[in-house]
Amino acid sequence: DQQVKQNSPSLSVQEGRISILNCDYTNSMFDYFLWYKKYPAEGPTFLISISSIKDKNEDGRFTVFLNKSAKHLSLHIVPSQPGDSAVYFCAARGYGGFKTIFGAGTRLFVKA
Amino acid sequence: NAGVTQTPKFQVLKTGQSMTLQCAQDMNHNSMYWYRQDPGMGLRLIYYSASEGTTDKGEVPNGYNVSRLNKREFSLRLESAAPSQTSVYFCASSEGEQVGTEAFFGQGTRLTVV
Repeated sequence: DQQVKQNSPSLSVQEGRISILNCDYTNSMFDYFLWYKKYPAEGPTFLISISSIKDKNEDGRFTVFLNKSAKHLSLHIVPSQPGDSAVYFCAARGYGGFKTIFGAGTRLFVKA
Repeated sequence: NAGVTQTPKFQVLKTGQSMTLQCAQDMNHNSMYWYRQDPGMGLRLIYYSASEGTTDKGEVPNGYNVSRLNKREFSLRLESAAPSQTSVYFCASSEGEQVGTEAFFGQGTRLTVV
């Protein structure tokens, strides 16, 4: 029973264009969402997060959108760069809990 | 600034052997975690330690034990390794109890059980 789903295993985008990575969740008790980025042979690194009281959070080229009614969030990268090529994990957690649940990840390829 | 350090980076075990994965963080974080990453499964929490002296089970604790040795160190032990435990293991730490506190991950240990 996957509570956090990233249905696209991979995504290929041209350099300079927008990358949109999607994530769906099933547990309405989740109230904080995070995106992590992972390069091969490295551990995941935190990218951006959003609280459930917001519907958008922006940090430079990265923006996360949250649609609570649809239980859906997305990560937008604009403009995409070759260095953005990595696996992106969506993660969710509930208040006071430590059991952050991760999605399976989406591998992003940004072509030069 | 090392962050989260895991040892070893690679390990091959025979079925039934035991081993301990070591993890240390130098960020004075209260909480520490062990995850495993398998293809198509994302990261799954094995055990966590909310603070020094406490440990608790995550999503997939069977076959593992942990020890929070002190605030810096959190080890993961496989008592009798099985091929199903072939995976990449990540240790992580975070400041603590605040909701949404991001975790900092080590580089991972690639474990193969034959």
